[in-house]
Amino acid sequence: AQTVTQSQPEMSVQEAETVTLSCTYDTSESDYYLFWYKQPPSRQMILVIRQEAYKQQNATENRFSVNFQKAAKSFSLKISDSQLGDAAMYFCAYKKASGSGGGADGLTFGKGTHLIIQP
Amino acid sequence: ETGVTQSPTHLIKTRGQQVTLRCSSQSGHNTVSWYQQALGQGPQFIFQYYREEENGRGNFPPRFSGLQFPNYSSELNVNALELDDSALYLCASSSRREFHNEQFFGPGTRLTVL
Repeated sequence: AQTVTQSQPEMSVQEAETVTLSCTYDTSESDYYLFWYKQPPSRQMILVIRQEAYKQQNATENRFSVNFQKAAKSFSLKISDSQLGDAAMYFCAYKKASGSGGGADGLTFGKGTHLIIQP
Repeated sequence: ETGVTQSPTHLIKTRGQQVTLRCSSQSGHNTVSWYQQALGQGPQFIFQYYREEENGRGNFPPRFSGLQFPNYSSELNVNALELDDSALYLCASSSRREFHNEQFFGPGTRLTVL
């Protein structure tokens, strides 16, 4: 079974600074997707960034970028120029690629990292 | 484009009762997944519905069941409620036609079992 581990229950960063959230995962699959989701206090889960395992290039979305190390099974999220609106729970998630062994496309989530932005 | 909606927002039940939660998928999406998020935890996959059939299940007992309707909306039913069923229940819709099957989440239903 796949597992996702987020070892930082809480992180704090000054506004405008850079912060990195850690995530490791375990899988025997070779083809899968990794995601970072943001869940603000309003509860609605929002996709921040996505990485396909077959791509060596790290994904970027504006101020958000990932460091994907497939051999190490590591997938960290870097937030540059942190803003007050970035404050939320951040969840790392894994999904095996469709058709790679059957079963549903359910996401496996980590326990989350609570990100605090200090003004 | 209408996003994923869920009803009700909050629900209080007593142990042993049954509950039905509802989800309307995003326009154009044909797959619905349900997740349980206990307080302070990440969401856990319950099951997924595609073309009105269950398409995979997480580690949840049979008293968690679901339905998907022809318009792709979905229900989650939980029988014989237990105190540990208290959680935020999230619904997510996606499209098999999209390569990465990105899941879009609803705001959730907060269930409290007393």
